Amino acid sequence: ETGVTQTPRHLVMGMTNKKSLKCEQHLGHNAMYWYKQSAKKPLELMFVYSLEERVENNSVPSRFSPECPNSSHLFLHLHTLQPEDSALYLCASSQDRGGGEWADTQYFGPGTRLTVL
Amino acid sequence: LAKTTQPISMDSYEGQEVNITCSHNNIATNDYITWYQQFPSQGPRFIIQGYKTKVTNEVASLFIPADRKSSTLSLPRVSLSDTAVYYCLVGVLSGNTGKLIFGQGTTLQVKP
Repeated sequence: ETGVTQTPRHLVMGMTNKKSLKCEQHLGHNAMYWYKQSAKKPLELMFVYSLEERVENNSVPSRFSPECPNSSHLFLHLHTLQPEDSALYLCASSQDRGGGEWADTQYFGPGTRLTVL
Repeated sequence: LAKTTQPISMDSYEGQEVNITCSHNNIATNDYITWYQQFPSQGPRFIIQGYKTKVTNEVASLFIPADRKSSTLSLPRVSLSDTAVYYCLVGVLSGNTGKLIFGQGTTLQVKP
């Protein structure tokens, strides 16, 4: 257990569906992240939230919409996805110390395995 | 951005020591070197982090030469459960929040 939970663990959806992925961290961190990991590809950073504000959007298509209502919760809203969006979606959290310092270790959740039909 | 290069795959046998080397020729002065481990269908897990010389914890050792252009993760006496992908990362700052850039990683296969 890393202190970061993700639900659901598996999700199958059609291209016209709307679904949401949920992430919750119990570590008291102030930064949260969404990553995408496709088969045989490196992890790709999608979004970064620090102090509940989005500080990074890594050129992600608008069919992915993140939401961070507080420092412990992070959502990824999905709509009209494509089959190539099938992947493992990972959430992570860390303690952002700011001031230009190297960010602390990131703690990852178990991921949501998404399949788009 | 400091790019990292590491072997795509390595094989080992139980009980052996495994050394995985990572090259990061363009590492910046303020960058740290961090290694993560990832099992299939799980998120990466922090193993060890260092800036220079040698760092050791209960899991691994990290050797960093004086020029910091490379680093070596050393896993003592591996077991089958150490079969995983190992990522070498160099710290990159984006604004005030650290951004990790993952490469392909090294797939370590431990055989009985």
